[in-house]
Amino acid sequence: GAVVSQHPSRVICKSGTSVKIECRSLDFQATTMFWYRQFPKQSLMLMATSNEGSKATYEQGVEKDKFLINHASLTLSTLTVTSAHPEDSSFYICSVGGHTGTGSISNQPQHFGDGTRLSIL
Amino acid sequence: AQSVTQLGSHVSVSEGALVLLRCNYSSSVPPYLFWYVQYPNQGLQLLLKYTTGATLVKGINGFEAEFKKSETSFHLTKPSAHMSDAAEYFCAVSDGGGADGLTFGKGTHLIIQP
Repeated sequence: GAVVSQHPSRVICKSGTSVKIECRSLDFQATTMFWYRQFPKQSLMLMATSNEGSKATYEQGVEKDKFLINHASLTLSTLTVTSAHPEDSSFYICSVGGHTGTGSISNQPQHFGDGTRLSIL
Repeated sequence: AQSVTQLGSHVSVSEGALVLLRCNYSSSVPPYLFWYVQYPNQGLQLLLKYTTGATLVKGINGFEAEFKKSETSFHLTKPSAHMSDAAEYFCAVSDGGGADGLTFGKGTHLIIQP
């Protein structure tokens, strides 16, 4: 299965700061990556689908200007939380799966990074 | 729209006992179903998946799950619990397998009593 590296694993910063989180697919060409958010002791909620070379698709209720997604290559997607506030504190997890650069493998499961714990003071 | 219901936010079993974690789903199309495990402050690890074919699916660490279309269920079982199984377990559904975003259940925290 795909190996997914997410960086940083933990961020603590002041309110108003913008924070960038990287998600790398180490052995898999990912035209599609996914970003999830997990509040403490709750489930994961899909935030957006990151598409290589095109705009991300955001889920209803997710502010696209707040959560900027860039997927410039087949191995890297970034999530930038702009002007972060305490309510943005959460566990953010990316995943890779589904399509390759040469065709779709729709029955392949998503593989997840280890997540980023974001704490805004 | 898809949804996943996991009955029981916490399940406690004795070491060596049967583990049963329940998952029911709703989907407008034949679903792809997954079970993931999450250890504290970590990402998710895939336990097993159902796409098509055999309805009894075997996964890692001795876990298995059975897809029952008539019951819209995909319960996770393990014959004998081990202390290392203590974690959070998530059931998830997708219309398009790994190609689409997953809809997760709320999770079940599995506690193993010595």
